[in-house]
Amino acid sequence: HSVLTQPPSASGTPGQRVTISCSGSSSDIGSSAVNWFQQFPGSAPKSLIYNTDERPSGVPDRFSGSKSGTSASLAISALQSEDEADYYCAAWDDRLNGWVLGGGTRLTVL
Amino acid sequence: QVQLVESGGNVVQPGGSLRLSCIVSGFDFSRFGMHWVRQAPGKGLDWVAFIRPDASDRAYVGSVKGRFTISRDNSKNTLYLQMDNLRPEDTAMYYCAKESLSPWDHWGQGTSVTVSS
Repeated sequence: HSVLTQPPSASGTPGQRVTISCSGSSSDIGSSAVNWFQQFPGSAPKSLIYNTDERPSGVPDRFSGSKSGTSASLAISALQSEDEADYYCAAWDDRLNGWVLGGGTRLTVL
Repeated sequence: QVQLVESGGNVVQPGGSLRLSCIVSGFDFSRFGMHWVRQAPGKGLDWVAFIRPDASDRAYVGSVKGRFTISRDNSKNTLYLQMDNLRPEDTAMYYCAKESLSPWDHWGQGTSVTVSS
């Protein structure tokens, strides 16, 4: 049972824009930055978005993050087949005094 | 380039102990906080523990408090996770991760822990 709530799956066709949501509470998303990670099967995760809306060097600007209140979103524009992966959101939780994550969203490119 | 290499994973019986290691290179280890994050087979990611660059503060997820201890040896560029009183639910791939702009900026490839009788 994850603290942050993500849809288990999402899908889109090449070229489309898709969004993945991440819902939390006032003690996590509501009071701290949100981070997103991408993971391909059999591989270690990779940092995709940090500080809610910033991209590490090398991450295409097709990936963007946003937050409103206690919810956050990851948007992927101009969807490509290589974007097919699992995506996780994470935030610091002031109440638990630790990092909490969503259960992950498996993105399928149709 | 930044590299993190975990080791120490194994099959262990419930109640047993393991010590995981993460040897890093390509950056000044003594300046960065470090984390352990785990992933049970077929499941999502779970944060396990964090340690400050100078080990002055540590944090743990509730389910491992009192059983796991995170530590580091900055002279050896090595992060550790001592795991005691292991339970079947601790079965997972354990990743070490470097904190920088992102809480988990760079990741190792993981080491596998199986707790089973």
